Amino acid sequence: EDKVVQSPLSLVVHEGDTVTLNCSYEVTNFRSLLWYKQEKKAPTFLFMLTSSGIEKKSGRLSSILDKKELFSILNITATQTGDSAVYLCAVNNAGNMLTFGGGTRLMVKP
Amino acid sequence: DAGVTQSPTHLIKTRGQQVTLRCSPISGHKSVSWYQQVLGQGPQFIFQYYEKEERGRGNFPDRFSARQFPNYSSELNVNALLLGDSALYLCASSSPVYGGETEAFFGQGTRLTVV
Repeated sequence: EDKVVQSPLSLVVHEGDTVTLNCSYEVTNFRSLLWYKQEKKAPTFLFMLTSSGIEKKSGRLSSILDKKELFSILNITATQTGDSAVYLCAVNNAGNMLTFGGGTRLMVKP
Repeated sequence: DAGVTQSPTHLIKTRGQQVTLRCSPISGHKSVSWYQQVLGQGPQFIFQYYEKEERGRGNFPDRFSARQFPNYSSELNVNALLLGDSALYLCASSSPVYGGETEAFFGQGTRLTVV
């Protein structure tokens, strides 16, 4: 059975801090790993990773995948209160049938 | 350009009743997936439909069923509702591209409460 585990479960930081969110996975037929941000309802897409060692960046957010060790990290630098959300990691094993982790709840205090 | 739209946004049902949730994908997307998200957990895959055919099914009982229409919109039906069916139901659409598929784009979800 495919499995995705995220850590930590929750995190409280202050504005300006840097955070690292972790995602480890076990899947039978890996195609890609995706990160989503969920603030209220709809998860919004952040990154899709398919190759090891290639960092993807978008502003203060970056992510990298290690297919040998089966994990990914999401980094957020200079955090802002607007970064407060649940961050979801998901693995796509075939055709976008995603297996999600339980999420990391990030709270950024002013 | 409209994203994925779901209706209704909220719903309250009684145990034993049946419910139908609706989803319209992004224009041009032919694949629709349904997920259940219980409070405090990540979404769980229920179904995927592509070109009106079921392409995948998660570990859910037969009380859950779905279909996709010629215009690629989709319905999720749940019969004989249980209290444990209370959750946020998310619909996602995607489209094939060379070498794979686009990322899944999610709708705002339907919050179902079973009392």
